Amino acid sequence: EVQLVESGGGLVKSGGSLRLSCAASGFSFDDYGLNWVRQAPGKGLEWVSSISSNSAYIYYADSVKGRFTISRDNAKNSLYLQMDSLTAEDTAVYYCARDRLDIVVLTGKFDYWGQGTLVTVSS
Amino acid sequence: SYVLTQAPSVSVAPGQTARISCGGNNIGTKSVHWYQKKPGQAPVLVVFDDSDRPSGIPERFSGSNSGDTATLTIRRVEAGDEADYYCQVWDISSDHAGVFGGGTKLTVL
Repeated sequence: EVQLVESGGGLVKSGGSLRLSCAASGFSFDDYGLNWVRQAPGKGLEWVSSISSNSAYIYYADSVKGRFTISRDNAKNSLYLQMDSLTAEDTAVYYCARDRLDIVVLTGKFDYWGQGTLVTVSS
Repeated sequence: SYVLTQAPSVSVAPGQTARISCGGNNIGTKSVHWYQKKPGQAPVLVVFDDSDRPSGIPERFSGSNSGDTATLTIRRVEAGDEADYYCQVWDISSDHAGVFGGGTKLTVL
């Protein structure tokens, strides 16, 4: 069974940093691209960042570029999101999601999701 | 970056057909994916590549895409279908590759 479990969320002050983790199991981790998607309170889904299976392809939303860094450790079956210079607009539930196909390039369709971790940035 | 536009809400009676639209410039040239999102739950992929269904998704869910509009169709709507539905595309012509529509709240009357 595919499982994605996010952790690392919490309360942080504006300008602070936080590192999210996503532990994966139930599939061949190093064959799949991975993604972060967030949902602010009362708002819609917002794509944040994606990383290919071998980390060769990385993409960021304009809203987080230069502040967030996505990475992965295939030996630990883990995905990360380093978030710096946080603002109140970053307050959201952050989801880890798997790319649907086990190919090198990202397909941008997300077939399995974690339950999310809440990040709250206080001003 | 690419923009996807969805109506905020759609209402339908049980047993009827719901159609949820997603507008974008020449969206018919892109692959569109649809997600169902219920409060407190993770999103669920219900249609990918315009019209394909993941295993486990009922045949009542279908999709189409042409011109400037993609559509998610839910036939024989049930109370359990009440949720927010999001369209999404992947556009690597820019670094901001992942794009979601604003979402449509489906209310089952």
